Amino acid sequence: LAKTTQPISMDSYEGQEVNITCSHNNIATNDYITWYQQFPSQGPRFIIQGYKTKVTNEVASLFIPADRKSSTLSLPRVSLSDTAVYYCLVGDSNSGYALNFGKGTSLLVTP
Amino acid sequence: GAVVSQHPSWVICKSGTSVKIECRSLDFQATTMFWYRQFPKQSLMLMATSNEGSKATYEQGVEKDKFLINHASLTLSTLTVTSAHPEDSSFYICSARTLSSPLHFGNGTRLTVT
Repeated sequence: LAKTTQPISMDSYEGQEVNITCSHNNIATNDYITWYQQFPSQGPRFIIQGYKTKVTNEVASLFIPADRKSSTLSLPRVSLSDTAVYYCLVGDSNSGYALNFGKGTSLLVTP
Repeated sequence: GAVVSQHPSWVICKSGTSVKIECRSLDFQATTMFWYRQFPKQSLMLMATSNEGSKATYEQGVEKDKFLINHASLTLSTLTVTSAHPEDSSFYICSARTLSSPLHFGNGTRLTVT
């Protein structure tokens, strides 16, 4: 299973763009990259998933370089409510195997 | 879509008793469900994987006789913590998926054993 490495914590001010990078050097050919957001005492919430290049949805963008050994979650214009832990997971979307969580990035957004 | 419901959201029980936690996929059929445990300030740790109609696969170090998992249908999995002790107090989270879909998580169950 691909191991992921993220910064332990990040700080940002409201309204700024936040980019969280995840390293996954031993990603496999069939692996997708998925990001989740978790608030205290809640289950993780799906944010975005991608395989290569760029994926964008209504809440975030995901940038994946050609070698796929890293990925960057981009949150545009964060608000206080984006304060949470963000997890990058790598795994085969078609398999029955669970995705293993790394330590995640604790994002603190302040006024 | 892809809603996973977990019940109860919190439970307090006395040491030595058993507690059952339910996990339901409300609007999809889950081929596989997973159970995680999360201690304060830590990441989620996978406990077991369950497929409908078959025995669960437990991660190393997780006692299968203590954490009983039943996956009776494509929409329901249950985790029973048997003979609970204070060290079992934790946040238990289930997740479900179909093939080719991301994992979707329940909102977790806070278990406190007194």
